[in-house]
Amino acid sequence: NAGVTQTPKFQVLKTGQSMTLQCAQDMNHNSMYWYRQDPGMGLRLIYYSASEGTTDKGEVPNGYNVSRLNKREFSLRLESAAPSQTSVYFCASSDYQSGDEKLFFGSGTQLSVL
Amino acid sequence: DAKTTQPNSMESNEEEPVHLPCNHSTISGTDYIHWYRQLPSQGPEYVIHGLTSNVNNRMASLAIAEDRKSSTLILHRATLRDAAVYYCITKTSYDKVIFGPGTSLSVIP
Repeated sequence: NAGVTQTPKFQVLKTGQSMTLQCAQDMNHNSMYWYRQDPGMGLRLIYYSASEGTTDKGEVPNGYNVSRLNKREFSLRLESAAPSQTSVYFCASSDYQSGDEKLFFGSGTQLSVL
Repeated sequence: DAKTTQPNSMESNEEEPVHLPCNHSTISGTDYIHWYRQLPSQGPEYVIHGLTSNVNNRMASLAIAEDRKSSTLILHRATLRDAAVYYCITKTSYDKVIFGPGTSLSVIP
C-alpha cells in the first residue's frame, strides 16, 4: 500500500520559474492538505481540500495555487518561485476532515529556489 | 496560530519512560487531541489520538486531563529510534489542522 506519494522528491528552481508539486493518495481519502516546513520549524498549512471539488486557504497561501484534480490527486503550484519558498513540502490526507480522522503524510519534496 | 503549546525540547535516557506534555487550554468539546512524530528527514507519522478518555496503542499511551486542557504522551520505554520531533495538535471537523513547532526529543544511550 503506497499511501501518500509525492513527486518530485527534490527540485531546484531559479527565481521566477514555475513548477507543480504532485501528490496522490491511494486510500480513497476525501481530505487532502499541503504543508511547508522551513529548517528547524514546524509545519505550516498552505492549502487544504476538504473534499473533491473544494479547496481552502491555510495559514500561508500567498504565492501558491492548488488544484484538486480528482479524489486521488492534489497538486500545489508555484507560479513564480521566490527564495522565500525554499522549504520542504509535505502532502497529507485523511478519510474525512473530522477530528477523529488520522492524517497520513507523504515523504516530502525538498525545494530550493536560487 | 497553533492551539497547543509544548516544550521546545526534552531529553530521556534510553529504556526509561518519557512523558511529553501538551497544553491546549482553549480546546472545545468537539476537538480531538492528536499526536504525531517526525523522524529525521521523514514526513510526520501518526502516533495516537483521543477525545476524553486515556488511550493506549502499540506505540504509546495518551493521558488526557479531566478538564481536557492538557494531555501527556507517554512512551513507556524510550529507544534510540524514538528520537524525533513530537507534535501535539487539536483537530475538529471542518477546520484547519494547524501544527506548532513541537517538542524535539533526544534519547541518551
